[in-house]
Amino acid sequence: NAGVTQTPKFQVLKTGQSMTLQCAQDMNHEYMSWYRQDPGMGLRLIHYSVGAGITDQGEVPNGYNVSRSTTEDFPLRLLSAAPSQTSVYFCASSPQDNSPLHFGNGTRLTVT
Amino acid sequence: RKEVEQDPGPFNVPEGATVAFNCTYSNSASQSFFWYRQDCRKEPKLLMSVYSSGNEDGRFTAQLNRASQYISLLIRDSKLSDSATYLCVVPMNRDDKIIFGKGTRLHILP
Repeated sequence: NAGVTQTPKFQVLKTGQSMTLQCAQDMNHEYMSWYRQDPGMGLRLIHYSVGAGITDQGEVPNGYNVSRSTTEDFPLRLLSAAPSQTSVYFCASSPQDNSPLHFGNGTRLTVT
Repeated sequence: RKEVEQDPGPFNVPEGATVAFNCTYSNSASQSFFWYRQDCRKEPKLLMSVYSSGNEDGRFTAQLNRASQYISLLIRDSKLSDSATYLCVVPMNRDDKIIFGKGTRLHILP
């Protein structure tokens, strides 16, 4: 029972590099979302999706792209990494009906 | 008012004591609410759902006050293992966003 799987667990990037954070869930959840967590800032919503083919912006979307080509996968792309994107990133999913979120283990990203 | 607000704490509470904290929300149309627990450098995990009638799970009680737009979490007979950050979560029904409060840090002292 894998739940929500995030990869990688840790990543170091240089400024300007691009990368994709992977998120997959095997619970057939329609709703998926990405959060970043910084000290003193709590969890902030980056992007979310209510189903395959549908994405929308959260509170802090700048610098990030997402796509939802399948129900299972919701990758987060950093096109040109900046030091301000150093953070812990969490992917989460839930059924569509305001049910609780299930979280992945997180990705710790450092941009130098 | 911010969408979801919590007192950041920290709450320093002796073991065995009772502690309570609140979370206020701005969207009066929100129908469901949750409390999550987050340990240091770990992902948040669901602690309790909060429904209109409130609910209790062992030492934990969650209540909803719609008139004043806040939810509360009460922990009785606190244990050292209760030390964590407690996050309030409010789905924003109007646009499907799920917004977290910044969390309340709780330290249980031996």
